[in-house]
Amino acid sequence: DTEVTQTPKHLVMGMTNKKSLKCEQHMGHRAMYWYKQKAKKPPELMFVYSYEKLSINESVPSRFSPECPNSSLLNLHLHALQPEDSALYLCASSPGGTGASLYEQYFGPGTRLTVT
Amino acid sequence: AQSVTQPDIHITVSEGASLELRCNYSYGATPYLFWYVQSPGQGLQLLLKYFSGDTLVQGIKGFEAEFKRSQSSFNLRKPSVHWSDAAEYFCAVVGFSGGYNKLIFGAGTRLAVHP
Repeated sequence: DTEVTQTPKHLVMGMTNKKSLKCEQHMGHRAMYWYKQKAKKPPELMFVYSYEKLSINESVPSRFSPECPNSSLLNLHLHALQPEDSALYLCASSPGGTGASLYEQYFGPGTRLTVT
Repeated sequence: AQSVTQPDIHITVSEGASLELRCNYSYGATPYLFWYVQSPGQGLQLLLKYFSGDTLVQGIKGFEAEFKRSQSSFNLRKPSVHWSDAAEYFCAVVGFSGGYNKLIFGAGTRLAVHP
């Protein structure tokens, strides 16, 4: 299985809502990522988990809260978002460890988030 | 800081024509380089990668790329484009930024294919 899955595909939420995005991989990868992508732009890194520990937080606002319950799952909890947070949120995974394969990332299809 | 430049924002080719998408990077040592493709509303799919060794690398969907250290380039090529190749293409390099290594993406090249 060489797939990263994400749910839901689309999400519309108000600024006072709390919602969660989910990501799952069964490739045995030990690093997982959250990216944010605005229209016509490349992905922007948000968080990196390595061996289930948060290793990188790209100064993301606290209204985004990541969680890695186990090596296959990654969640992104959303609370009190702003309209400018509307974007495609991509999850990715990579083998982890050391060397070049650490950076070979496989992406999920994304969740299209609209904040109203 | 490391960076990636994709000089062409938008390219249009006819179906069956050859394709070359340009990518230039700035990096001191031997870089780790990637090409990704993104269809509308979809995630990124890894087309190919270069870590070391043979400078001509083959990828999926009939794509290939050539690493040229002297030109700091990693251009993507395909001999005959299909309509389904219409998508956004991102070149990426592993770079050191903010205290750690991460993928640094170019701005992307949007490919349109005319029938």
